[in-house]
Amino acid sequence: AQTVTQSQPEMSVQEAETVTLSCTYDTSESDYYLFWYKQPPSRQMILVIRQEAYKQQNATENRFSVNFQKAAKSFSLKISDSQLGDAAMYFCAYRSGNKLVFGAGTILRVKS
Amino acid sequence: EPEVTQTPSHQVTQMGQEVILRCVPISNHLYFYWYRQILGQKVEFLVSFYNNEISEKSEIFDDQFSVERPDGSNFTLKIRSTKLEDSAMYFCASLEGYYEKLFFGSGTQLSVL
Repeated sequence: AQTVTQSQPEMSVQEAETVTLSCTYDTSESDYYLFWYKQPPSRQMILVIRQEAYKQQNATENRFSVNFQKAAKSFSLKISDSQLGDAAMYFCAYRSGNKLVFGAGTILRVKS
Repeated sequence: EPEVTQTPSHQVTQMGQEVILRCVPISNHLYFYWYRQILGQKVEFLVSFYNNEISEKSEIFDDQFSVERPDGSNFTLKIRSTKLEDSAMYFCASLEGYYEKLFFGSGTQLSVL
């Protein structure tokens, strides 16, 4: 079974600084998708970024980028120029078949 | 951007009662899902639904749970006899096609007393 591991229960970053959230996953498949979702206190699930495993180029969405290391099964999220509104729980997810498998999440705190 | 709509936003029920959680997926989407999140824990897959039938379900989705799409727009999750441990946020999600992104609704917080 596919598993997703987020080893950092909580991270802190100073406003305007950069932070990296870690994620590793386990799979025997070669074609899959990886995602980062943001969950603010409202508990809405908001897609931050998506990466297709067949693409070597790392996905980027404005201040959010990933470091996808397929051989190492690693998929970290980098948030640049952190803002107070980035404070939330962040979930890494792996797409297995047509369902998502989520990691346990990392709480990101942003200090002003 | 299109939205997945869930109602109600909060539901309080007594243990042993039946509840129905409602979702309106995005209109041209083909795959539908229910997930749940117990407070402070990760989001867990319950069930996926495609072509008017369950395509996959987790071990959490036992005989107390059922899903249906009665009228081609609503997608419901029924819990027949609620237990205290069913208290959680329940998310509906939908997908247009296999390679597309998953859209989540804003969730229904179920509290079983």
